[in-house]
Amino acid sequence: EDKVVQSPLSLVVHEGDTVTLNCSYEVTNFRSLLWYKQEKKAPTFLFMLTSSGIEKKSGRLSSILDKKELSSILNITATQTGDSAIYLCAGHSDSNYQLIWGAGTKLIIKP
Amino acid sequence: EAQVTQNPRYLITVTGKKLTVTCSQNMNHEYMSWYRQDPGLGLRQIYYSMNVEVTDKGDVPEGYKVSRKEKRNFPLILESPSPNQTSLYFCASSLNQGIGEKLFFGSGTQLSVL
Repeated sequence: EDKVVQSPLSLVVHEGDTVTLNCSYEVTNFRSLLWYKQEKKAPTFLFMLTSSGIEKKSGRLSSILDKKELSSILNITATQTGDSAIYLCAGHSDSNYQLIWGAGTKLIIKP
Repeated sequence: EAQVTQNPRYLITVTGKKLTVTCSQNMNHEYMSWYRQDPGLGLRQIYYSMNVEVTDKGDVPEGYKVSRKEKRNFPLILESPSPNQTSLYFCASSLNQGIGEKLFFGSGTQLSVL
């Protein structure tokens, strides 16, 4: 059965710290991995990763995919209170048009 | 403005009273989907639609119905809601999910079934 597992489930750090969120996947006919940020309600798109070893970057956020290890990480440097959110990752399968979602990592940034 | 619009945002109802949550997108997206989100379980797909008149079950379709008569609309119907359907519901759309396009989410509907 396809699955995506995120760790840790929750994380509390202080403003200015750097955090690394993990996502491991077992997805049949894997095509891509997506990261989303969910602040109050609707998740918003961060990154889509399809190639191993190529870092995607957006400001203080970056992400990379390791197809050999079946995993991805999301890094946030110099965290701010506005980074507090649930971070979701999802694996996309070529075979059934579905995204398989992880349970999310709840990140809390303390001032 | 490109968006996915869900209504209502909050809904409290009683067991057995039929309800519909509407979803509309203005981006001419082919793919639309409904998810529910429960604490610790992440997003679970209820139904999805690849195009008009084409719908398929997701992971948790029991107790739900959908229809896709027009490209822009994808309502979620609960014929006889039960308390275990209390959840946060999201509608989402993308240009073509078959190639992993990013999803655009609606603002969510918090449903409570008493």
